[in-house]
Amino acid sequence: AQSVAQPEDQVNVAEGNPLTVKCTYSVSGNPYLFWYVQYPNRGLQFLLKYITGDNLVKGSYGFEAEFNKSQTSFHLKKPSALVSDSALYFCAVRGDGGATNKLIFGTGTLLAVQP
Amino acid sequence: SAVISQKPSRDICQRGTSLTIQCQVDSQVTMMFWYRQQPGQSLTLIATANQGSEATYESGFVIDKFPISRPNLTFSTLTVSNMSPEDSSIYLCSVEGLIGNEQFFGPGTRLTVL
Repeated sequence: AQSVAQPEDQVNVAEGNPLTVKCTYSVSGNPYLFWYVQYPNRGLQFLLKYITGDNLVKGSYGFEAEFNKSQTSFHLKKPSALVSDSALYFCAVRGDGGATNKLIFGTGTLLAVQP
Repeated sequence: SAVISQKPSRDICQRGTSLTIQCQVDSQVTMMFWYRQQPGQSLTLIATANQGSEATYESGFVIDKFPISRPNLTFSTLTVSNMSPEDSSIYLCSVEGLIGNEQFFGPGTRLTVL
């Protein structure tokens, strides 16, 4: 069965410092991995994805994520956090096996960036 | 990316009533998805709606409670029937992009059941 784990309910970081939001996954076949962000009272916005190719993928708003197959991880990173990055971040996965397009979401990590 | 709108954006409903949520996309898409996000929780897929066929429901969700229509390639509705306070959630529709497998989400409908 497919699953996603976000081990941290909340991550606190000072503005200007690097940030990491962790995600690990379990999936049959090759993983398709995604990060989404949700601002208060808003829908989900797509940040970035890994399908194939370079393990380091770059996305919107200066975010990047590194796919690590051996550790089954896909951590979200940003070199310098902004207060405006404060939001709820979701990792999601789907496998390439079968016909389903079903996304499995993690429980979310609240990122709080202090000025 | 697709532009997706949902109506209503929020509603407060009485127990036992039903609410129909509309999802409109600015381009034709094959598959549309309906999710539920309960307070403080992650997203859970309710069903996948394909045009011209019955929706496919995930475990724990049934058609009688969450009937779905998909009359054309740009529109879908989700009805939450015989509501109870446990149905208070954000309901989101999404579509898959033409390239790349990511899904794009509507702004959501925040439902409160009293």
